[in-house]
Amino acid sequence: EAQVTQNPRYLITVTGKKLTVTCSQNMNHEYMSWYRQDPGLGLRQIYYSMNVEVTDKGDVPEGYKVSRKEKRNFPLILESPSPNQTSLYFCASSKSGRGPDEQFFGPGTRLTVL
Amino acid sequence: AQSVTQLGSHVSVSEGALVLLRCNYSSSVPPYLFWYVQYPNQGLQLLLKYTSAATLVKGINGFEAEFKKSETSFHLTKPSAHMSDAAEYFCAVSYLSGYSTLTFGKGTMLLVSP
Repeated sequence: EAQVTQNPRYLITVTGKKLTVTCSQNMNHEYMSWYRQDPGLGLRQIYYSMNVEVTDKGDVPEGYKVSRKEKRNFPLILESPSPNQTSLYFCASSKSGRGPDEQFFGPGTRLTVL
Repeated sequence: AQSVTQLGSHVSVSEGALVLLRCNYSSSVPPYLFWYVQYPNQGLQLLLKYTSAATLVKGINGFEAEFKKSETSFHLTKPSAHMSDAAEYFCAVSYLSGYSTLTFGKGTMLLVSP
């Protein structure tokens, strides 16, 4: 089954404790992206990647890091999480990242930073 | 910069009534437009997309949307609401040039009452 998977689905952590949220897709997509969803704000893009070893900032990159060492994986790293990073995070992928491509979304990771 | 405005953070309808969710975009070039749906505790799923082939686009679950360039709108409709349509709906816009960021509206929660 074609899908985007994320782990963990739920995470509660404390301020300053480094964490990684994994994202993997099995569709051989070149483009991958991370979004955060907050009530009343919709989805905002954090980082995206056009291909292996190529990443770029989205609209809200502060406090996050990403890497793309393999085509299928695109982990999101919070090196020193803060309470304002409490949010629902989605990973997405698409064939090329160009205009008309559909983006496929993972099930989401709900993060709480205390 | 591209942007999307969804009118109404919440829309309530009765089962069997017409569903109308509004989306307006701002753009100086022809856009690609999408409607995504998010059911509770799930990721986003594509309902339909406009890629300039036809102005009336039909999607899944009986939804459709009409691209109106003169009004810069892409409203989502369904003739008869079903209880299972209760979800949050997001309009999004992208463009062909380069690697295109998908910009989302803030979302509209559709509530369906018996």
